[in-house]
Amino acid sequence: GNSVTQMEGPVTLSEEAFLTINCTYTATGYPSLFWYVQYPGEGLQLLLKATKADDKGSNKGFEATYRKETTSFHLEKGSVQVSDSAVYFCALSDGVNAGGTSYGKLTFGQGTILTVHP
Amino acid sequence: DTEVTQTPKHLVMGMTNKKSLKCEQHMGHRAMYWYKQKAKKPPELMFVYSYEKLSINESVPSRFSPECPNSSLLNLHLHALQPEDSALYLCASSHRQGYGEKLFFGSGTQLSVL
Repeated sequence: GNSVTQMEGPVTLSEEAFLTINCTYTATGYPSLFWYVQYPGEGLQLLLKATKADDKGSNKGFEATYRKETTSFHLEKGSVQVSDSAVYFCALSDGVNAGGTSYGKLTFGQGTILTVHP
Repeated sequence: DTEVTQTPKHLVMGMTNKKSLKCEQHMGHRAMYWYKQKAKKPPELMFVYSYEKLSINESVPSRFSPECPNSSLLNLHLHALQPEDSALYLCASSHRQGYGEKLFFGSGTQLSVL
């Protein structure tokens, strides 16, 4: 089955530091890949996505490149801010057939807690 | 309007109570989802509605009963819950139920079962 593995947290950085959160996946098909962010007390928000190999998703200074050869989708940001403190989830969406219905099921990684200090 | 609105934000209920969670979106999305999220864990899919019809039930116990009265509303009826059902319940919607769709999440209902 499909699975997503994220680097274990928590990650603690100083403001303006470089961020990398590793994500690797296992999938039988050709999934779409996502990073979702969850701020304290809130639901998840889509941060960025990539739908095919070598695509780069980017948003708010965050980037991730879909690497099929290494089955990875690592999240990077050149200079983090205190406001980036949140939980980050890597996820994949692959086609699933269930009882004749096809749908895209999101499989999430375990999440990485990021804390940025001033 | 790109919001998914969930009410209530917090709910405390006893094991014999009946309560309902509500979710609303006005983005014209035709797929709506219920997820359950335990503390420090990723969300787990419970139900998917597509065009107001239940399309996916991830083997959820019958004490959870979903309902989709129209294309904008999604309810989750709760009855005879157990303390282990305490969690954050997230509603989400997407344009369609399909591979690669972007999900919009609500802020969730924090449920405590006593």
